[in-house]
Amino acid sequence: EVYLLESGGGFVEPGGTRRLSCAASGVTFSDHAMSWVRQTAEKGLEWVAIINGRGGGIMYADSVKGRFTISRDNTKNTLYLEMNSLTADDTAVYYCAARGSGTLDYWGQGSLVTVSS
Amino acid sequence: DIRMSQSPSSLSASIGDTVTITCRASQGISNNLAWFQQKPGKAPKSLIYGATSLQSGVPLKFSGSGSGTDFTLTITNLQPEDFATYYCQQYGSYPLTFGGGTKVDIK
Repeated sequence: EVYLLESGGGFVEPGGTRRLSCAASGVTFSDHAMSWVRQTAEKGLEWVAIINGRGGGIMYADSVKGRFTISRDNTKNTLYLEMNSLTADDTAVYYCAARGSGTLDYWGQGSLVTVSS
Repeated sequence: DIRMSQSPSSLSASIGDTVTITCRASQGISNNLAWFQQKPGKAPKSLIYGATSLQSGVPLKFSGSGSGTDFTLTITNLQPEDFATYYCQQYGSYPLTFGGGTKVDIK
């Protein structure tokens, strides 16, 4: 069974930086494209970024392009999201998700990032 | 970007009822449509991909239909564990986009 566990969430001041991690188990990690998706009560679910199994094919939502960087380390079965120049609009629960037959087939439990002074 | 519109935004139903949720894409996405179930405080769970294919382990009470721009999710014989919020999501093109959700609660 695929298991994804996010970490790295917490409070960060506006303009600050935060790195999220997503550790995968129960899966051949490099076989799966991985995404980050965030959710707020106001905006709902918002896809953030995707990376293919080998670390290429990277795409971002316009709202985070130039500020966020998605990456992965297949030797550690871990996905990352480096978030820079954070604003209050980036406050959300961040989920990692693995592609199976669709695109967002397996989800982690989420990590809350709160941007506030 | 492709906009996904779900209706209704909420509905009340009774145990044993059948409910249908509609999702409309602002442009054609073929069958690149997924449905998710989310319960409070939990991550979304994938139910259906390719508009009609059930994920492994998802009960047959869930079914999806549609292609192009119009899609439906049908849930038969509603049980207490089915009361949740349901989202559609398109993966026909990037950015991936979601519908606003349909909250199904107990009448």
